[in-house]
Amino acid sequence: DTGVSQDPRHKITKRGQNVTFRCDPISEHNRLYWYRQTLGQGPEFLTYFQNEAQLEKSRLLSDRFSAERPKGSFSTLEIQRTEQGDSAMYLCASTGGYPPYNEQFFGPGTRLTVL
Amino acid sequence: AQTVTQSQPEMSVQEAETVTLSCTYDTSESNYYLFWYKQPPSRQMILVIRQEAYKQQNATENRFSVNFQKAAKSFSLKISDSQLGDTAMYFCAFMKHGSGNTPLVFGKGTRLSVIA
Repeated sequence: DTGVSQDPRHKITKRGQNVTFRCDPISEHNRLYWYRQTLGQGPEFLTYFQNEAQLEKSRLLSDRFSAERPKGSFSTLEIQRTEQGDSAMYLCASTGGYPPYNEQFFGPGTRLTVL
Repeated sequence: AQTVTQSQPEMSVQEAETVTLSCTYDTSESNYYLFWYKQPPSRQMILVIRQEAYKQQNATENRFSVNFQKAAKSFSLKISDSQLGDTAMYFCAFMKHGSGNTPLVFGKGTRLSVIA
């Protein structure tokens, strides 16, 4: 079963360091989403791609955040100069391919802890 | 902007009993989708059930069913014959209907505990 995978699953870093997360979507899916989930909250949208094009970024995505999806396959989310408020679970989801077209399949997430 | 509200932070139910989780939403859109997602402890989120706003018939998936009241903007989830494996966070989510899949807007979730 080749679902959405994310790497690493856990990341502990010191404030001010840069971190990068990777998401591998389901292979035939053309849309890829990043969400952030803090403790006790539902996921909040960050950004999404259709193939390699970044179509939308939320206001949560500050200048310290950048996301890419080269060649429309895997995606990376980089956070520069991390802050303690960046501590959260970062979720990736993908959709596309055959119906039901609008189901987003989620990965296991990357839990970031900023000390 | 769309908002989704889940007013029950935590709920519990006895095994084999029925429980209903509440969700209300606010939108000016006329065509949209509503979802319930389940997030078990330390496991990834999975789709439980989906409802298209243009369909009047309530969606059903085995032990899971919804009560969709479009005029009231209400979308509750009923779990029948609760099982221990139903213990999880449940999120109600909204998605605009568009040319493709727009991002999901989630509620804060309801933590459901099924007690043996």
